[in-house]
Amino acid sequence: SAVISQKPSRDICQRGTSLTIQCQVDSQVTMMFWYRQQPGQSLTLIATANQGSEATYESGFVIDKFPISRPNLTFSTLTVSNMSPEDSSIYLCSVISRYEQYFGPGTRLTVT
Amino acid sequence: QKEVEQNSGPLSVPEGAIASLNCTYSDRGSQSFFWYRQYSGKSPELIMSIYSNGDKEDGRFTAQLNKASQYVSLLIRDSQPSDSATYLCAVISTGTASKLTFGTGTRLQVTL
Repeated sequence: SAVISQKPSRDICQRGTSLTIQCQVDSQVTMMFWYRQQPGQSLTLIATANQGSEATYESGFVIDKFPISRPNLTFSTLTVSNMSPEDSSIYLCSVISRYEQYFGPGTRLTVT
Repeated sequence: QKEVEQNSGPLSVPEGAIASLNCTYSDRGSQSFFWYRQYSGKSPELIMSIYSNGDKEDGRFTAQLNKASQYVSLLIRDSQPSDSATYLCAVISTGTASKLTFGTGTRLQVTL
């Protein structure tokens, strides 16, 4: 399986500010995903991060709010822009390795 | 809307018993099925994948797939208190480019 790290592990931010979350994988992977998990809820896919092209966003998520970078096959960032308390959630990076999907440890974001 | 459904629980079983977790899915063409375990405050951990009808065993875990009934289950034998967690069923549906659709999860409590 792939080893995935995320930074930061948690943060408390003020509304109106932005936070960039980093995801690093220990091997080259084609597909990387960003998920959100709100308290007591299951996982919701935000977007698929594509290397060399723009991310593909799911319904309800837009690039202006969640810009994503994927500069190479081992790294991606997700920015949560102009935050509101409703953005308080756990944000998870995920990759596919050998046809199976693995998750990073997550970033716990609290917006005050 | 392609859906994955699970009973939210909690499912309570005594230590040493068999825990049976169930999942149904709506897309008849789905080909890949996964079970994740998520401890409170942690990210999902892949514990089983299954792709063809029948049973797949790995240690104390057995995944069962019945595509005709659109049903996948996870059996945990000799349940231990450390198995207490939320179990997420996930499916790759047709035409979704390897994107997982998650159920809402079943919370399992193994009692002493």
